Amino acid sequence: GAVVSQHPSRVICKSGTSVKIECRSLDFQATTMFWYRQFPKQSLMLMATSNEGSKATYEQGVEKDKFLINHASLTLSTLTVTSAHPEDSSFYICSASGRGGEQFFGPGTRLTVL
Amino acid sequence: GDSVTQMEGPVTLSEEAFLTINCTYTATGYPSLFWYVQYPGEGLQLLLKATKADDKGSNKGFEATYRKETTSFHLEKGSVQVSDSAVYFCALSESRGNEKLTFGTGTRLTIIP
Repeated sequence: GAVVSQHPSRVICKSGTSVKIECRSLDFQATTMFWYRQFPKQSLMLMATSNEGSKATYEQGVEKDKFLINHASLTLSTLTVTSAHPEDSSFYICSASGRGGEQFFGPGTRLTVL
Repeated sequence: GDSVTQMEGPVTLSEEAFLTINCTYTATGYPSLFWYVQYPGEGLQLLLKATKADDKGSNKGFEATYRKETTSFHLEKGSVQVSDSAVYFCALSESRGNEKLTFGTGTRLTIIP
């Protein structure tokens, strides 16, 4: 199957700093990328959907100025958590889909804000 | 809105045991249903899917049948192996899988030799 990578896999940062997470489709062109957040023992919650070259569509309750998403190319999307606080600590997962429609998931990024 | 409820884990079974992980859903339309599996250190992978009522999805010995009357999509396997140890997620999509997915909480399965 198609491969999606995320970088970094883990990040620890101080409160107030910004953190960027990259999501790459390695062997296919991703027309759509999705960003999810997962709390312990809870389901994956969709944060936003992004299409290459256009603005992301955010789910209700997700602050677009706090979680900046850029889908600049068909193989790369980035999520930047701005002015991170401890409550932003979570597991962030991206997925990517091409023309076939199936979503392929990255391995996730564990963010810890001190 | 749409929601997925699945069996809470963790589930621990002996090798060759029969597995059932329950999943029920609430949706306004006629969703497609999925089971994803996440092996340690890896991303979620699609295990199987069904797009309409009475369809049976199957893969790697796992099966799940789309039951509209009971709004269920239970995952079953007749004889589990140690390599099946993973976290399993039930999910639905209103748009044939290429749009938003709604996930259950995941069930951690551990198979003991």
